[in-house]
Amino acid sequence: DGGITQSPKYLFRKEGQNVTLSCEQNLNHDAMYWYRQDPGQGLRLIYYSQIVNDFQKGDIAEGYSVSREKKESFPLTVTSAQKNPTAFYLCASSPWTEGETQYFGPGTRLLVL
Amino acid sequence: RKEVEQDPGPFNVPEGATVAFNCTYSNSASQSFFWYRQDCRKEPKLLMSVYSSGNEDGRFTAQLNRASQYISLLIRDSKLSDSATYLCVVNDNTPLVFGKGTRLSVIA
Repeated sequence: DGGITQSPKYLFRKEGQNVTLSCEQNLNHDAMYWYRQDPGQGLRLIYYSQIVNDFQKGDIAEGYSVSREKKESFPLTVTSAQKNPTAFYLCASSPWTEGETQYFGPGTRLLVL
Repeated sequence: RKEVEQDPGPFNVPEGATVAFNCTYSNSASQSFFWYRQDCRKEPKLLMSVYSSGNEDGRFTAQLNRASQYISLLIRDSKLSDSATYLCVVNDNTPLVFGKGTRLSVIA
């Protein structure tokens, strides 16, 4: 069954703690993306990666880090430097052909304790 | 990054009504356009791509006006299940640029 998976569905973070959100895809897509969505707001791009071992900052990269060691995986770490991390985090992938659409995982809700 | 603007709504319409959403984009060089649907607390899902000649999928019709730089989505015979937020999306030399969405509530 092809698709994008994200885990966990809900994540709780304590003050000063780093947490990592998982994103895996078996669609053989080259490009992967991380977005943040706040209540009643649009999607804001955090980081994206076009190929393995390469990634670029999006519009709101501060306080976040990523890695792309495998084509299938693009984990996002929310560091303690991100002072307002409570949000809905969405991972997406696309074939990286110009004009191609993106497909989203089910998302992770991050809450600060 | 370039902007995509949508009326946030909400649009509250009765079942069976026809409703239209517009979206404007700022980058005249944008090449492809999409409408996504997002249900409450769920991920966005592709509703339809928007082709230069316009396209129709059942009750949904999407149109592109390059001269005025806007995209429209028309929903005919609205169903309760159409209640969602509709995101206008523009391919701005990737990554995609998302509008903030227009909320639709279809009322019985």
